[in-house]
Amino acid sequence: EPEVTQTPSHQVTQMGQEVILRCVPISNHLYFYWYRQILGQKVEFLVSFYNNEISEKSEIFDDQFSVERPDGSNFTLKIRSTKLEDSAMYFCASRARVRINQPQHFGDGTRLSIL
Amino acid sequence: AQSVSQHNHHVILSEAASLELGCNYSYGGTVNLFWYVQYPGQHLQLLLKYFSGDPLVKGIKGFEAEFIKSKFSFNLRKPSVQWSDTAEYFCAVREGNTGGFKTIFGAGTRLFVKA
Repeated sequence: EPEVTQTPSHQVTQMGQEVILRCVPISNHLYFYWYRQILGQKVEFLVSFYNNEISEKSEIFDDQFSVERPDGSNFTLKIRSTKLEDSAMYFCASRARVRINQPQHFGDGTRLSIL
Repeated sequence: AQSVSQHNHHVILSEAASLELGCNYSYGGTVNLFWYVQYPGQHLQLLLKYFSGDPLVKGIKGFEAEFIKSKFSFNLRKPSVQWSDTAEYFCAVREGNTGGFKTIFGAGTRLFVKA
């Protein structure tokens, strides 16, 4: 069964540095998402992306965050100047829109640790 | 704004005990409902989903959930748990008519099954 893949599995970055988290969604999927889960807290929606633009974003997704689909296969999340509180597990998800009743498929996540 | 409430943060059961995890949501329109499971160190996996039709849905690994529209609830059940069911369980709701179809997660219930 096709899977959403995320790289790296663990990223350690100094505070203030830029970080790019990469995701390869399932190939025929059209909607893409990023979520995060701070340790011990619930999974939180960050952003959804469709047709090469953001369709919805949460209040967490401020100017420090951006998403891009640079080459038709990857879907990236960039944090420009990381803060300690950005430490979390980041999950990418994708969904087909052939039929409306399609769930999201999640990747394994990238654990981001900010020092 | 829609929200998802999971009644228990931690549940400890012995093997063969019955399980019921509560989930309530606050949204009056059409919703899609999900339960996800996250085993230690692993990614979110879809356990079961409800879109329409029979309000009693059966998922993988012997889990089922019942959608009660009048109570805005979608409780997860399993008649007899196993040690391998130790995981965190997330209830999630997606507005049926939202363009980006973002998913809102509950805070999660951490289940520990004693052997």
